[in-house]
Amino acid sequence: GAVVSQHPSWVICKSGTSVKIECRSLDFQATTMFWYRQFPKQSLMLMATSNEGSKATYEQGVEKDKFLINHASLTLSTLTVTSAHPEDSSFYICSAMDNEKLFFGSGTQLSVL
Amino acid sequence: GQSLEQPSEVTAVEGAIVQINCTYQTSGFYGLSWYQQHDGGAPTFLSYNALDGLEETGRFSSFLSRSDSYGYLLLQELQMKDSASYFCAVNTGGFKTIFGAGTRLFVKA
Repeated sequence: GAVVSQHPSWVICKSGTSVKIECRSLDFQATTMFWYRQFPKQSLMLMATSNEGSKATYEQGVEKDKFLINHASLTLSTLTVTSAHPEDSSFYICSAMDNEKLFFGSGTQLSVL
Repeated sequence: GQSLEQPSEVTAVEGAIVQINCTYQTSGFYGLSWYQQHDGGAPTFLSYNALDGLEETGRFSSFLSRSDSYGYLLLQELQMKDSASYFCAVNTGGFKTIFGAGTRLFVKA
């Protein structure tokens, strides 16, 4: 199957700082990537759809200025959590679709102190 | 609204067979996928059904009935390492995928 790489795997940061998470499709081109957030023992919550060369589409209730998404190439999308606060602590996962199937990155565990 | 229903928990013993059901109600349907997720890890793709019938991949099989808006994941010869959460997901079109709440499978020795 297709391979999606996500970095970093985990990050600890101080409240008020910004954190950037990268998502790369390694063996296919992804014009569209997706960013999810997941709390323990819960399902994946779609945050936004990242479109190469254009603005991301955010789901209802997700703050655009808080979660900045950039999709500058066909293989890279980034999510920046700006001015992070403890309530932003969560597991963030990116994915890309290849042949109608979603393939996920390994996820990023963010802990904001 | 759009929804996917699957059991919250299933428990089975090693070597047994377990079936995880998923019923869906969505505005569009292009296919039903199944994903496995171990604690602390990311979901991994297991199977995809776009047409009615059974798809088999090793110990895992997945079934779809579009007329019943129903599918299931069948795990055979259960192993301890199969203990994980399993999500069904519907591709509703336009790159939109909706996930079920997940089924936690506990495999006992």
